[in-house]
This record gives sequence, structure tokens and C-alpha cells, in this order.
Amino acid sequence: AQSVTQLDSQVPVFEEAPVELRCNYSSSVSVYLFWYVQYPNQGLQLLLKYLSGSTLVKGINGFEAEFNKSQTSFHLRKPSVHISDTAEYFCAVTPSGGYQKVTFGTGTKLQVIP
Amino acid sequence: DAGVIQSPRHEVTEMGQEVTLRCKPISGHDYLFWYRQTMMRGLELLIYFNNNVPIDDSGMPEDRFSAKMPNASFSTLKIQPSEPRDSAVYFCASSPRTFSGGNTNEQFFGPGTRLTVL
Repeated sequence: AQSVTQLDSQVPVFEEAPVELRCNYSSSVSVYLFWYVQYPNQGLQLLLKYLSGSTLVKGINGFEAEFNKSQTSFHLRKPSVHISDTAEYFCAVTPSGGYQKVTFGTGTKLQVIP
Repeated sequence: DAGVIQSPRHEVTEMGQEVTLRCKPISGHDYLFWYRQTMMRGLELLIYFNNNVPIDDSGMPEDRFSAKMPNASFSTLKIQPSEPRDSAVYFCASSPRTFSGGNTNEQFFGPGTRLTVL
């Protein structure tokens, strides 16, 4: 079975400052990793995904994440946040190859302070 | 594409009443998922379908909950009878199968149905 840990439930950050949202996963097999974003009163939408290849993955809205197999981490970063980035961010994991259930983390609320 | 469509967007009902939530997945997607989101429990997978067949319903909380997918373009989640603790946002999501036959498990979420049971 897989699990995902998002240690930070809330992250406040000033506008134009950098941010890192942490995600650690546990799995005995190779995995696909995802970050989803949920804006207020909306469904989740995919921000970026790691399937294979380059460990640095770039997503929408200037976000990127780095897959670190040795540390079993997939942290999300943005060098300069905007007010519009205020949302909840979910890390997710699933075994690679063939469909299996996606396991979501508990989410991190990013609050961008003007 | 219009994306995943859910109806109603908001539902307020009284305890004991039957509630039916509806979902239209993205055309061509083979997988459909029902999730429940609450402050206390976060995002929970209730059930998912592959090609209209229920594959895993282990997340369905109890017999009061049932889900059907009569065809590739429609699914329902029914709660009968409803209870106040069922109040939550219910999401439907769908997922495609890639051209090669594999699946990257990327899911496309609908806007959700906010259910309030009084």
C-alpha cells in the first residue's frame, strides 16, 4: 500500500516570496506522483505530475516539483507567489503501470499575504 | 470538452430523506470515481468504476450509500436515508486510458456537490 504525508496543514507566505510545500510518500514499488490544487469552492485540478525521466517537473502557474527517490519526497516549489496562488494543495501517489487507486495527502493550505 | 459535470451543485435536505447526486464524466474516459471531502477526514475515495463496472467500493461508508453507472456517460451516488454526518462536498472525477493502453492515473475532477443534511 502507498501513503502520502503532507506535514504542513497551513503555510502562510508573503506575496512575491518563495514557497515550498512538502510531500513525502511511502511505497514498496515504483510510483507516479501528482500535485493537485483546489481553489475555493472548486474541484481539484492537476498542477503537475511525475511519471518517469527527469526528476524536476514543471507545472502550470510557475510551479515545479522535484522527485527525490532516496528521500521519498516530492516537494512543490514556486520562486515567487501571487495572491491568486491562495488555495489548498494536495500531493498524491499511485503505483506505476496499470491502474490502481490514487492516494491523496491531507492537503496544505497556502495563504498568500499581501 | 465541458469537463466533468456534477449536479446539483448544492443540496440541502432533511435527515431521513433520499439524496441522489449525479455525474457526467468526460467523454472517452474509462474510469470514474466518487470522493467525499470533509474538514475532519479530508478527501476520501468512496468507489470507483472501470468501463461502468464497480471495481472497489471499500470506501463506501455503509449500506445507506450506493452508486451506479448505467452507461459510460452517467453515474449516480445515492444516500438513503441521509444523516447529518453525511454533510460534505462530494466530488466526481474521471480518468482516461492513454493511447498505448496504459494509464497515468491523472484524474479530472468535477466542481463538486455541497450536501447539507439538516
